[in-house]
Amino acid sequence: QLLLQASGPGLVKPSETLSLTCSVSGGSVSSTTSYWAWIRQPPGKGLEWIGSMYYAGTTYSNPSLESRVTMSVDTSRNRISMRLGSVAAADTAVYYCARHSAILGPPDWFDPWGQGTLVTVSS
Amino acid sequence: SYELTQPPSVSVSPGQTAGITCSGDTLRNKYASWYQQKPGQSPILVIYQDSKRPSGTPERFSGSNSGKTATLTISGTQAMDEAEYYCQAWDSSTADVLFGGGTKLAVL
Repeated sequence: QLLLQASGPGLVKPSETLSLTCSVSGGSVSSTTSYWAWIRQPPGKGLEWIGSMYYAGTTYSNPSLESRVTMSVDTSRNRISMRLGSVAAADTAVYYCARHSAILGPPDWFDPWGQGTLVTVSS
Repeated sequence: SYELTQPPSVSVSPGQTAGITCSGDTLRNKYASWYQQKPGQSPILVIYQDSKRPSGTPERFSGSNSGKTATLTISGTQAMDEAEYYCQAWDSSTADVLFGGGTKLAVL
């Protein structure tokens, strides 16, 4: 059973960089049928896709966040990471990692999702 | 704003059929997926590729896509189905993920 577990700092100051890691167990981040995604959800609001990355390097990002986002896949540790720069209060959200299934080639649906980690941006 | 439009809320009586729609021009020629999210929990996939159920999704959940509108149907709705539901699609032309704004299903 594929399990994902996101972890992060909990609290980040405005203008700093948010760094999150997602550990993957029960499967390999080198899977040829998977991208690895980050999705966030501000308190009381809907879901917002941040970006998805294939282990070999192909990356897709939300155009509204692309300039601030860096994603990586660590095959040796079987985990993925995401950095979001120049954060502001609007970046306060629960952040999820998920497998972005690419069984048919391009990424399509998200399954499974990890448990989210709440990140608050505040001084 | 969201490029996929969902009704903010839908109400249904126990045992009845609930339908949640997801509309958008960008749905044409794209697969829709649906997620269920209960308070304090991560979303879970309930429908993918318009109408396929992952193992673990009850048979009362079904999906369809007519081109500009995808629909999640829950037959014989149970109290445990009360949750927020989100539709999602992958837009290959822009390499972008689209989410609907979410629909709160109330089982009254």
